[in-house]
Amino acid sequence: LAKTTQPISMDSYEGQEVNITCSHNNIATNDYITWYQQFPSQGPRFIIQGYKTKVTNEVASLFIPADRKSSTLSLPRVSLSDTAVYYCLVGPFNQAGTALIFGKGTTLSVSS
Amino acid sequence: EAGVTQFPSHSVIEKGQTVTLRCDPISGHDNLYWYRRVMGKEIKFLLHFVKESKQDESGMPNNRFLAERTGGTYSTLKVQPAELEDSGVYFCASSQDTASSSTDTQYFGPGTRLTVL
Repeated sequence: LAKTTQPISMDSYEGQEVNITCSHNNIATNDYITWYQQFPSQGPRFIIQGYKTKVTNEVASLFIPADRKSSTLSLPRVSLSDTAVYYCLVGPFNQAGTALIFGKGTTLSVSS
Repeated sequence: EAGVTQFPSHSVIEKGQTVTLRCDPISGHDNLYWYRRVMGKEIKFLLHFVKESKQDESGMPNNRFLAERTGGTYSTLKVQPAELEDSGVYFCASSQDTASSSTDTQYFGPGTRLTVL
């Protein structure tokens, strides 16, 4: 599976938009990009997934440029409860049984 | 709809003892995965079931670990005998058959924290 690189940590204030960029230079043609969020003492929680261009749901937006070598998770108007670790994963997620490979993730700290 | 549940939430045992962790996937999910995070490390894949069959157990650390999914519903992960390095958080995840959805989204349980003394 393609290796991903993302910032170790980010700080933000409440109400701001937060963008977390992930690099995946070796992404394969059949790979998707998935983001998970994890709070302390909880399991990872699926946020959003995309293949190309832009995907938006009630939680976040995912921007993927044409070359797909990077992606940006955008969290609009963060609140204190968005403080968590965010993981970017890449793999053939259109196939069941794909083991998720987690890196260290990006620790987002939101303060008031 | 209930999410993935795991039991117990925390287990403390002594080295050499046996522990069994249980995972109940989301109803109707054929795929079940076990992962774990040991202290200070990333979350690592252990194995994958499709219904009652083990599809991939390449991440199982050694033969002290035994996973089962009899009947294709809940799964158990037994560690026997437990060693100090087995301490960590064990996560279970489940996903639908991809014939039912376009992508394999894995939904995680809250994890079981295992402490081996």
